[in-house]
This record gives sequence, structure tokens and C-alpha cells, in this order.
Amino acid sequence: DFQMTQSPSSLSASVGDRVTITCRASQDISKYLAWYQQKPGKVPKLLISAASTLQSGVPSRFSGSGSGTDFTLTISSLQPEDVATYSCQRYLEAPKTFGGGTKVDIK
Amino acid sequence: EVQLVESGGDLIQPGGSLRLSCAASGFTFNNYDMNWVRQAPGKGLEWLSFITKTSTTIYYADSVRGRFTISRDNAESSLYLQMSSLRADDTAIYYCVRDRLGGAFDVWGQGTMVTVSS
Repeated sequence: DFQMTQSPSSLSASVGDRVTITCRASQDISKYLAWYQQKPGKVPKLLISAASTLQSGVPSRFSGSGSGTDFTLTISSLQPEDVATYSCQRYLEAPKTFGGGTKVDIK
Repeated sequence: EVQLVESGGDLIQPGGSLRLSCAASGFTFNNYDMNWVRQAPGKGLEWLSFITKTSTTIYYADSVRGRFTISRDNAESSLYLQMSSLRADDTAIYYCVRDRLGGAFDVWGQGTMVTVSS
């Protein structure tokens, strides 16, 4: 079965810290990976597609990298408004599986 | 404004059936593939089902295959999810989601809550 494995499942960091979240696919998915941000009580929002393409309006402190099976979401300088759960997803082929999510909060 | 509005969520007994609807507006619905995604309380996102623009290709997650049926009515700009043999672990918020040209999920509805309990 295809799986997307995210780590860590949660993290706590200080404002201004660099934060890195990883996502591993159980098979090669090329660049077809998306990252979503879901703030508490809100609907998920697409942040990054094609592993590294930032969506319009997303702050430049967010970046994505990787291809094949290993991917990374980086927040270069964590801000209070970044408190959210971040999820990766393979989107080109079915099953369009999401990772388990990483909950980010402020220390 | 591009919008997806789900409806049909309810409290339903185990073994029951329910039909969710999603009304699309603000974009040309028949130009987009669509999906259903759910989120159980306090849990992560779970993709459930995908349907192409013309309904020619449909996929399901293993967890719902054989119990859930996705469909669409392009004339009505609507997406549907027929759910049967519902179980307690189907309790979740169900989201209607647009599959952007190129594949990522770019527009999400507000969700409709389904609670399966006796």
C-alpha cells in the first residue's frame, strides 16, 4: 500500500526559528507533492505544489524541496500566524494520500 | 468568488446511508476534476474519492471502496457522495475539493459533519 510518512508529528519552536518538516513517500512520486496548511478550526489551504512551487500570496518564508521519495517543507523564520498543522500529499495518482500531519506551535 | 458548499451531513445510525452534496460556483465546474476528503475529529486529512470532469474515471480509497459512490452533475455544477453501510469510524468532516488543472487541491469547501452513532 502506498504511504506518505511525515515527521515530526508535532514540534514547538520559537518565533524566528527555522522549522523543517519532512515527508517520505513509499514509492517514487517524482515532483508531484503538495503541502497544505490548516490553521485551527479552518479549512486546509494549498501552500506549495510540484514540491517547490509556492502558491500566490504565500509568504516567501515558506519553501519546499525534494523529488522522488523525500521532500521537505521549510519555514525560514517562524511567525505566530504560522501556528497550524501542515500536511503533505501525493496528488497526481490515486490514492491521493496525505501524510499524517505535523502540528507546529510556538514555544 | 470561487466557492464550494457542502450539505447533507447529519447524525446517522451505524449501517445507515447518507448522501452528501457539494454546490460549486464562481468557476466552470465541468472543466475540473473533483474529490472528497474527510477529517475525523482530531485526526489528519484522508482522501476518499476522485472523479474526472466527464465522470469517465473514478477512484476510491480502500477504506470506502464498495460503500461510497462519487458522482457529479455538470449541468447543476454539483458533486455528490453517496455513503452506505456507515460505521462509527466514518464520523468526520467531509470536504468537497477541487482538483486544480495539474492536480493539487486548490479549492476546499467549508465541510459538512457526518456523525455515525447509535
